[in-house]
Amino acid sequence: SQKIEQNSEALNIQEGKTATLTCNYTNYSPAYLQWYRQDPGRGPVFLLLIRENEKEKRKERLKVTFDTTLKQSLFHITASQPADSATYLCALNRDDKIIFGKGTRLHILP
Amino acid sequence: DAMVIQNPRYQVTQFGKPVTLSCSQTLNHNVMYWYQQKSSQAPKLLFHYYDKDFNNEADTPDNFQSRRPNTSFCFLDIRSPGLGDAAMYLCATSKGTSGGEDTQYFGPGTRLTVL
Repeated sequence: SQKIEQNSEALNIQEGKTATLTCNYTNYSPAYLQWYRQDPGRGPVFLLLIRENEKEKRKERLKVTFDTTLKQSLFHITASQPADSATYLCALNRDDKIIFGKGTRLHILP
Repeated sequence: DAMVIQNPRYQVTQFGKPVTLSCSQTLNHNVMYWYQQKSSQAPKLLFHYYDKDFNNEADTPDNFQSRRPNTSFCFLDIRSPGLGDAAMYLCATSKGTSGGEDTQYFGPGTRLTVL
């Protein structure tokens, strides 16, 4: 079965630095991959989608890469701010559904 | 603003007492989903509707049922809640784009406590 692996431990990053989160997957070749942000007690919010034929996608301070050979996506937040603190979920499409990873909790330290 | 609304935000029920969670959307999306999310876990898809077509996940317990009376509303019924059903329940919608690339819009969730 498909597995999505994200860092289970929280990531602490100093304000102003770049935060990099990793998503690895196995046993599948998704046509696209998505990243969502989830704040405590709230539903996930869509951030970015990247297709299998795209190497990189950017949106403001966010950048996502997608390496289908390594089966890995990296999610970067540049010039990080305390307001970026949240859990970030990676999601892959499977048929007509989306499968989510557990997410990585990110803390931006002032 | 177009959105996904879930009521109530917090629900307390007793062991074995049926409970219904509701979701409504103003996005006019074709697809509605119900997820269960426990602490530090990935959202787990329970079922989804594409218009009126119901799609149940193979590992969703029979204790969980759903209704979608119209495009805007979808309900999650838990017939006999157990302690293990305590979780956040998330409703989401998507356009149902053919060929994929279907991003999902989530409601704020309902936190269910089972006593």
